[in-house]
Amino acid sequence: QKEVEQNSGPLSVPEGAIASLNCTYSDRGSQSFFWYRQYSGKSPELIMFIYSNGDKEDGRFTAQLNKASQYVSLLIRDSQPSDSATYLCAVNHGGGSNYKLTFGKGTLLTVNP
Amino acid sequence: DTGVSQDPRHKITKRGQNVTFRCDPISEHNRLYWYRQTLGQGPEFLTYFQNEAQLEKSRLLSDRFSAERPKGSFSTLEIQRTEQGDSAMYLCASSSYMNTEAFFGQGTRLTVV
Repeated sequence: QKEVEQNSGPLSVPEGAIASLNCTYSDRGSQSFFWYRQYSGKSPELIMFIYSNGDKEDGRFTAQLNKASQYVSLLIRDSQPSDSATYLCAVNHGGGSNYKLTFGKGTLLTVNP
Repeated sequence: DTGVSQDPRHKITKRGQNVTFRCDPISEHNRLYWYRQTLGQGPEFLTYFQNEAQLEKSRLLSDRFSAERPKGSFSTLEIQRTEQGDSAMYLCASSSYMNTEAFFGQGTRLTVV
């Protein structure tokens, strides 16, 4: 069974700090990896995707992928209270543009002012 | 086009009743996905359409569940003889073959009492 594991948290960081969110996956054939943010009662919204080993930066967000270790992370720099949400890691096993995703349970992040 | 639209946003039904949800994807998107999310969990894949063809169904989709996309545009998800365990957020997402992401609708929250 293809699994995606995340620490459920809650992860609490002070405003302005770096928040580090981690995810591991079981299927070595996984090809693309996504981080979604979900506010309570709302639908997931995509923050970043990453396909290749290494780092990918977008504004305050950096995604890191290590396929050998089957590990994906998301760093949020200069965390803001508005970043408080559940962060979902998702894995696309099939590749291409078929978005049949396996999600982790999510990590609840709280940024304290 | 304002994105993926789902209707209704909320549905309360009595156990044993049938319910039907509708999803209108982004107009040029040929792929449509249904996910289910229960409290404290990440979304779980239910089924996937490419145009009008239902290409994949999860084992989670029991015989009480049926999904259609008759003209390759909007989709419906019907649950027959609802059970309390069906209470969840039902999420629809769409993508095109050129997309790097799937876009989620706001979801339909089902409560079975």
